[in-house]
Amino acid sequence: QVQLQESGPGLVKPSETLSLTCTVSGGSIIAYFWSWIRQPAGKGLEWIGHIYSSGNTNYNASLKRRVTMSVDRSNNHFSLKLTSVTAADTAVYYCARVTMIRGFPQYCFDFWGPGIPVTVSS
Amino acid sequence: EIVLTQSPGTLSLSPGEGATLSCRASQSLTSNFFAWYQQRPGQAPRLLIYGASSRATGIPDRFSGSGSGTDFTLTISRLEPEDFAVYYCQHYGPSQYSFGQGTKLEIK
Repeated sequence: QVQLQESGPGLVKPSETLSLTCTVSGGSIIAYFWSWIRQPAGKGLEWIGHIYSSGNTNYNASLKRRVTMSVDRSNNHFSLKLTSVTAADTAVYYCARVTMIRGFPQYCFDFWGPGIPVTVSS
Repeated sequence: EIVLTQSPGTLSLSPGEGATLSCRASQSLTSNFFAWYQQRPGQAPRLLIYGASSRATGIPDRFSGSGSGTDFTLTISRLEPEDFAVYYCQHYGPSQYSFGQGTKLEIK
């Protein structure tokens, strides 16, 4: 069974960079797309971006200027960097795997990490 | 940008009843990349339906999805106590993922 686990600081100062890592266990990171999704308290879900195991990325157009994702195939993890954070970036951040059926992406998310709360505050 | 609007915002029903949740897209969806999720308090979302009508692995057959174009439906027959949660629809295209704002299914 594939498991994902987010890690990183739970508190980031305004204008600084939020950095999170998602470690994948129970399966390979190879040949899958991997995403970051966030959820402010009491609100809905917002997709941040996805990365293929080759390193190709696609970001939410509204966040593209501030987002960088990377993948470490040898250590089976992928990462998120979000620059110039403000209080509006306070949320629970989830990493998730994009569903693949017979080698084709279904562009939905079948495995999720438990989420990591991140607060932006001085 | 495709906007997904879910209705109703809150649905109050009793265990054993059936539920119908709707998701309307701001324009006709040209791909079949449409999914539904369940989110219980304090948990990550769980994939229920993908491809608009295919059940994900391990999802009971009381959950079913349908729809095309701009109108999509999640139907839950015979509600169980664990089904009371928030449900989200989600679409991919073109090159962006979008989520609906959620429907809260609560016990009447």
